[in-house]
Amino acid sequence: EAGVVQSPRYKIIEKKQPVAFWCNPISGHNTLYWYLQNLGQGPELLIRYENEEAVDDSQLPKDRFSAERLKGVDSTLKIQPAELGDSAVYLCASSFRGGRYNEQFFGPGTRLTVL
Amino acid sequence: ELKVEQNPLFLSMQEEKNYTIYCNYSTTSDRLYWYRQDPGKSLESLFVLLSNGAVKQEGRLMASLDTKARLSTLHITAAVHDLSATYFCAAVGGTYDKVIFGPGTSLSVIP
Repeated sequence: EAGVVQSPRYKIIEKKQPVAFWCNPISGHNTLYWYLQNLGQGPELLIRYENEEAVDDSQLPKDRFSAERLKGVDSTLKIQPAELGDSAVYLCASSFRGGRYNEQFFGPGTRLTVL
Repeated sequence: ELKVEQNPLFLSMQEEKNYTIYCNYSTTSDRLYWYRQDPGKSLESLFVLLSNGAVKQEGRLMASLDTKARLSTLHITAAVHDLSATYFCAAVGGTYDKVIFGPGTSLSVIP
């Protein structure tokens, strides 16, 4: 079974440029998460989707970040414009809500460097 | 607000030794997760603990949960170099059933 797929794996941009990340969750998983992970820290939730609905976006900086999950499958996270402080790894995870464990499975992440 | 702490944050241990990583969380959580992350890699799920007194073991790793003390432990038995990684615990809480991760414990096993 394929895991969570993310692209690109690495992205280097200059500040003030836009950037987008894509995530394809595990087939059948209705919940999708975007996390930000700074070096030496644990992941921090940016947004969580249940199917197509964003049920928790309280930590998403909405002035520059946006996300969508069309048709309840793939998702895109966008930053516009990017700032130096946005340099981090952006992780996507998915889970099947309703299962006993609601265990999250993580993708490989996108490492963003803003110059 | 749910907060998760881990200690130690850095652990250097010799092969064949035993050690324990501690995870404390501040409010009630109905699940506790342990993940492993290798450098430059993503997170790999190790254990999911659901109830008080739960104990799970996989190879040289054993995780336990004490919900009354709001404490989970990850015990490493007879460490080997392959266990070198960062270990995260995560608890669940808040309005939206949010998963909150601890800061991670960076483990180095030295031959």
